[in-house]
Amino acid sequence: DGGITQSPKYLFRKEGQNVTLSCEQNLNHDAMYWYRQDPGQGLRLIYYSQIVNDFQKGDIAEGYSVSREKKESFPLTVTSAQKNPTAFYLCASSPPAGGRAVKYFGPGTRLTVL
Amino acid sequence: AQTVTQSQPEMSVQEAETVTLSCTYDTSESDYYLFWYKQPPSRQMILVIRQEAYKQQNATENRFSVNFQKAAKSFSLKISDSQLGDAAMYFCAYRSPYNNNDMRFGAGTRLTVKP
Repeated sequence: DGGITQSPKYLFRKEGQNVTLSCEQNLNHDAMYWYRQDPGQGLRLIYYSQIVNDFQKGDIAEGYSVSREKKESFPLTVTSAQKNPTAFYLCASSPPAGGRAVKYFGPGTRLTVL
Repeated sequence: AQTVTQSQPEMSVQEAETVTLSCTYDTSESDYYLFWYKQPPSRQMILVIRQEAYKQQNATENRFSVNFQKAAKSFSLKISDSQLGDAAMYFCAYRSPYNNNDMRFGAGTRLTVKP
């Protein structure tokens, strides 16, 4: 079955540590996205990538980094510079159909800072 | 920048009844796309329904339908014959055709379905 996988489901980080969240898709989508979800707020865009080896900052990119070495993979690193990283992180992808394209979401990763 | 507002943080409905979730948005664009996503307790975001602004006809998907009022910038979701499995967070989202990467989400409405 085609879809998006995220791992791990739950992640705990100590203060000062960098952690990397995995996102893999086998939908052959060009575009991939990372969103952050906090209670009482909608999803906010962290980073996106339209093509391999290219990515752009979203609204809240500070303290995060990404890479896009393969079409299928778009890992997100939460660095120690992110002051409030505890949140739910969602990865998404979409085909190249313009604005009407539906975004498909992964199951998410819950990150907690200890 | 476009903004999306969901004014109902929580709603409840009796099983088999009908409920309407509200969404308004602010934009200066004439063409755009609107979406309703469902996020059940599993946290997986699932597309419920999509509406293209240039289409006057309201989108429907089985028990789900929208009331799209372009002039009022309103995009409400109606769930008919509510089922226990409809219990979830529902997010309204706006997407510009000029910026494929930008999808604006509302804060969500938590829907409870009472048996």
